Amino acid sequence: NAGVTQTPKFRVLKTGQSMTLLCAQDMNHEYMYWYRQDPGMGLRLIHYSVGEGTTAKGEVPDGYNVSRLKKQNFLLGLESAAPSQTSVYFCASSILAGYEQYFGPGTRLTVT
Amino acid sequence: GNSVTQMEGPVTLSEEAFLTINCTYTATGYPSLFWYVQYPGEGLQLLLKATKADDKGSNKGFEATYRKETTSFHLEKGSVQVSDSAVYFCALSDLGDYKLSFGAGTTVTVRA
Repeated sequence: NAGVTQTPKFRVLKTGQSMTLLCAQDMNHEYMYWYRQDPGMGLRLIHYSVGEGTTAKGEVPDGYNVSRLKKQNFLLGLESAAPSQTSVYFCASSILAGYEQYFGPGTRLTVT
Repeated sequence: GNSVTQMEGPVTLSEEAFLTINCTYTATGYPSLFWYVQYPGEGLQLLLKATKADDKGSNKGFEATYRKETTSFHLEKGSVQVSDSAVYFCALSDLGDYKLSFGAGTTVTVRA
């Protein structure tokens, strides 16, 4: 089992550019999550999904969109990147709500 | 709402020293409690968990006991190694609730 994988590992964008981060899990988990981690801010939930075809907003959803077309994949999109979106992004999954979450290795994004 | 408070770091120890990281929580229901560890440059890994009062979670020499009377879940290790240097996060989740509430994280550095 690969667990939770994320693509890419690193990315540098210019302000206004767009990109998509891909998360994949092979554990057949229903729930998937996107977090961002910033110094002094801890982990903050951006969006989450409770199953294929569903998405919902977390604590800090502005400037991001997500899609869950397949159960194993959860995509995070930035339509017009801003320097404030410079962060480390983590994807996670869990079998159901309230159970432990399994995290991917992260994507380090820098927006200049 | 649910929240987690953990002791602030950074914590610096010598090898073979005793480690304790305090974690207290506020919850409306009967949450599950977790400790996650993040090694430098990596994602969060589940270290241990406890799902009900008086449960003890343990892994890799670390232990934590779910204390409902004191709303605490303190992490302990009797003899730390340099390889235990990492950031440790306490977290809680209610069954049926998508949200995983994290503490701010405690940075632990173990010197040889």
